[in-house]
Amino acid sequence: AQKVTQAQTEISVVEKEDVTLDCVYETRDTTYYLFWYKQPPSGELVFLIRRNSFDEQNEISGRYSWNFQKSTSSFNFTITASQVVDSAVYFCALSEGRDDKIIFGKGTRLHILP
Amino acid sequence: DTAVSQTPKYLVTQMGNDKSIKCEQNLGHDTMYWYKQDSKKFLKIMFSYNNKELIINETVPNRFSPKSPDKAHLNLHINSLELGDSAVYFCASSPNLPNTGELFFGEGSRLTVL
Repeated sequence: AQKVTQAQTEISVVEKEDVTLDCVYETRDTTYYLFWYKQPPSGELVFLIRRNSFDEQNEISGRYSWNFQKSTSSFNFTITASQVVDSAVYFCALSEGRDDKIIFGKGTRLHILP
Repeated sequence: DTAVSQTPKYLVTQMGNDKSIKCEQNLGHDTMYWYKQDSKKFLKIMFSYNNKELIINETVPNRFSPKSPDKAHLNLHINSLELGDSAVYFCASSPNLPNTGELFFGEGSRLTVL
């Protein structure tokens, strides 16, 4: 069985602070894929990143960075110098390579306060 | 051009009615999905089709029947609507099977059952 846990239900930070969203996953497969999606207040779901299980390199994209650690089964997402526009629900997700479905965590609602 | 489009965006109906939500993608993808997002923002996969063939059916009540007339379309028909069916339904497509890629989501269809 596969499972994605986002323990932080809701986070509020003041603009310009850094914030990390946690994601812990469970899978028995050695081949799997991890994702982050953003859902802003407007409701659409926006793909942010995909990482496969064989690539543990951290990734940085502008103010966003991702830390993938197989040893702790975690795929955490950090926003540096947060902005109000970062306010959204963020979903971590997992797909096993042999399976054609992406399972989502319950999401973390992030509030960036001006 | 919208990549994944759903109609209608909003649907308000009475309990017991039958309704349909349509989805079309112009990305040339082989795989399409229906996800349900409840009031707590929990995203759960319902169905997946690959090239018109049903490949995932996640213990969804028989009142829900997907139909894929061709690989660019995946419609969702719901019979005898219940209050608990109120949710936002997202259609998505992806280019790969098994799913190693990102999901491209439609804007969602908000169903309210009174």
